[in-house]
Parts: sequence; structure tokens; C-alpha cells
Amino acid sequence: NAGVMQNPRHLVRRRGQEARLRCSPMKGHSHVYWYRQLPEEGLKFMVYLQKENIIDESGMPKERFSAEFPKEGPSILRIQQVVRGDSAAYFCASSPPELGEQFFGPGTRLTVL
Amino acid sequence: AQKVTQAQTEISVVEKEDVTLDCVYETRDTTYYLFWYKQPPSGELVFLIRRNSFDEQNEISGRYSWNFQKSTSSFNFTITASQVVDSAVYFCARGGSNYKLTFGKGTLLTVNP
Repeated sequence: NAGVMQNPRHLVRRRGQEARLRCSPMKGHSHVYWYRQLPEEGLKFMVYLQKENIIDESGMPKERFSAEFPKEGPSILRIQQVVRGDSAAYFCASSPPELGEQFFGPGTRLTVL
Repeated sequence: AQKVTQAQTEISVVEKEDVTLDCVYETRDTTYYLFWYKQPPSGELVFLIRRNSFDEQNEISGRYSWNFQKSTSSFNFTITASQVVDSAVYFCARGGSNYKLTFGKGTLLTVNP
């Protein structure tokens, strides 16, 4: 059973471009969470999704950030018009239908030039 | 906000020394979970342990041990006979009745040969 997969592992964007981060949950997991780790900081919750539903996006910046988890395919975290302050590691986690433990992916390191 | 505090920002020890990483948490939940994760220089998050709030038994796994004290809201982590490969950032986290994990800011442990 493959773990949580994230791609790309490293992403470089120039200011103003769009960044798309992908997360494939573990098989059988229907809950996906995104966390952001700024330099020298712990992880901070961004958004919680189930298939085709955003359950809680209270940790998402109000502008430029969006997330989806379609019926088919991976969850996508999208950042429009990136700025240098978006440079961070973005971690995805998934959990089974009964909730419980979250399993983390390897993260995507976004660098904005 | 219900915080998780890791007061030690950085710890440096010499190989074979024992080292304890402190974690103090706040919670209003009756049932909650506590976690430790390791983040080596490669950047991924490695799950170490999960503890339920109703189970205060201490746990030992090889050179690792955890001391959960509800009375002081602490969940400390001890590495016995540390090794260079233990060098990493260690995060303590709390999960409650909701799904969000709240992380501490991490402790950077450096084990010198």
C-alpha cells in the first residue's frame, strides 16, 4: 500500500506565476489535509477536504489560494500570482473514512524567485 | 488558540548522551491525541508515536521513550544513548475532537560525534 504521494517534490516559480501542488492520498483514505511549513516554523493547518467537498478552509489565506479534491484524481492546492512569502514546504496528509491518524506525504517545497 | 509549546529551540549533545525534548500542550478537549514527528534534513515527516489522552502509560520503543503527564499537560520525549542519525527537527503535535493537528515550532536536535 503506497503512502501519501505528493508532486512535484520541488517547485520553483517566479513572482506572479501560478503554483499547482498535487496530493494523492493513501488507498482507501477519503480525507485530505493540507499544511504549510514556513521556514523555522512548525506546520500550520490550511484546509481539510473530502471528495468533492471543502470541509474546513479556515487556515487558508483569503486570496490567491484554493484547494480541491475531485471525485477522480488527486487533491490540488493552487496558488495564484505567487509572492515570495509563499515560499514554504506544503505537506499533504490523508486519513481513513473513520478519521483518526493522519499520514503525511513527503511535502512539496515551493520556492518563489 | 490551543497551543503546543516546545520551549527548546535547539539542543546539541554528544553521541551516547541521553536527551529529553519537552512538549507542553493546551487543550479544552476531553479526548485528544498527542504526536511526535521527526523531520530529518531530507525534509519528510516521520511519524514516531501517537498517544490517546485516556492512556497515560509511558511508552518505550528501543532507544525512544515518552512520558505523558496529564497533570502538567506535558508529553516529553527522551532519546537514550543518542546517535548522529538522531539529528533532526522534532515536532510535537496535538489533535482534538476535530481533525486539525496543532504543531509546536519544533526542536532542532544536533548529535555530535
